[in-house]
Amino acid sequence: TQTVSQSDAHVTVFEGDSVELRCNYSYGGSIYLSWYIQHHGHGLQFLLKYYSGNPVVQGVNGFEAEFSKSDSSFHLRKASVHWSDSAVYFCAVSPSSNTNKVVFGTGTRLQVLP
Amino acid sequence: GGIITQTPKFLIGQEGQKLTLKCQQNFNHDTMYWYRQDSGKGLRLIYYSITENDLQKGDLSEGYDASREKKSSFSLTVTSAQKNEMAVFLCASSIYAETLYFGSGTRLTVL
Repeated sequence: TQTVSQSDAHVTVFEGDSVELRCNYSYGGSIYLSWYIQHHGHGLQFLLKYYSGNPVVQGVNGFEAEFSKSDSSFHLRKASVHWSDSAVYFCAVSPSSNTNKVVFGTGTRLQVLP
Repeated sequence: GGIITQTPKFLIGQEGQKLTLKCQQNFNHDTMYWYRQDSGKGLRLIYYSITENDLQKGDLSEGYDASREKKSSFSLTVTSAQKNEMAVFLCASSIYAETLYFGSGTRLTVL
């Protein structure tokens, strides 16, 4: 069974700062990794995903994530955040043996201060 | 583009009551999901379905039933609501888990 851990429940930064949101997973085989964003009162929206190839993947709105097999990680980054990036961010994993079973982490609430 | 519609948006029930949540999608996606979202606990998978009349249990299926009678719809039943229970139930759909598309949720409150 795959598991995913997001160690930071809350992250606060100032507008224009860079940010990294951490995601670590546990699974013995090949895995799909994704990030989603949830604005208050809404469902989740897809940001980006990784399965193979270049370990750095680009997403929407300037987000990128980097896969590391050695660290079992898929951290999300943005070079310069905007106040509208304030939201909850979820990391998700699914094994290639059963890609339909998508498991989410507990989420990281990002607060961007003006 | 498509849309996921969850009904009702708000559901208030009594302890012990059986409650049904509905989800419709017009993406023509094969796979549909039900997740429960509790504050501080992220999303927990209740059931998913890879095609019409298929049901697969997630990690939180105890206390729930699901039904996928049509490709476009997926319903979830809370078999016996627990007192003071509060959660948001999110429905999603996807093609081959490439990208999940979510509805805006049903907020459940049990009195």
